Amino acid sequence: DVKVTQSSRYLVKRTGEKVFLECVQDMDHENMFWYRQDPGLGLRLIYFSYDVKMKEKGDIPEGYSVSREKKERFSLILESASTNQTSMYLCASEGDRTYFFGPGTRLTVL
Amino acid sequence: DAKTTQPNSMESNEEEPVHLPCNHSTISGTDYIHWYRQLPSQGPEYVIHGLTSNVNNRMASLAIAEDRKSSTLILHRATLRDAAVYYCTVRVGNKLVFGAGTILRVKS
Repeated sequence: DVKVTQSSRYLVKRTGEKVFLECVQDMDHENMFWYRQDPGLGLRLIYFSYDVKMKEKGDIPEGYSVSREKKERFSLILESASTNQTSMYLCASEGDRTYFFGPGTRLTVL
Repeated sequence: DAKTTQPNSMESNEEEPVHLPCNHSTISGTDYIHWYRQLPSQGPEYVIHGLTSNVNNRMASLAIAEDRKSSTLILHRATLRDAAVYYCTVRVGNKLVFGAGTILRVKS
């Protein structure tokens, strides 16, 4: 079974903190993605990566950055967390036109 | 980017078929149509995908209109475990573009 794991299910941070969300996949997939999910807005793409050290902006990249130093790991970074970044964050990897999602990290920024 | 439109919610009786519609009128000729579903407190999971022809797998069937401007996900016999949010998405390049999804409620 393909596994996509995320470092935390729940996270609480303070405004201005630097936040790291980690995602690991075990299927040697090249493409990995970060989405955020908010009520009424569905899933929106933040960033994606199609290879190690390669990244592309999605639809809402402002306030976020990413890192892909190894093929299996894709990290989302909030340089200075703000309350409007409180959300569910979902990581996915893609193989054979199928996305495999992690369980999500619910981030609350106070 | 292509956009999808789905009903906000639908209801079905257990053991009956369910037809979940989706409009994607701005789809281009090379965009695949994907369906995912999301159970409570989980990430979305893959259901089915297709380009032009109707598709079947162990979970569901996908019927794609001839002009590709709409599609229908068919669950042949709904169970309580099928209660979820169903997302019709269009794959543009490497990206999946999600709509708001349909909440499916299944009554016993």
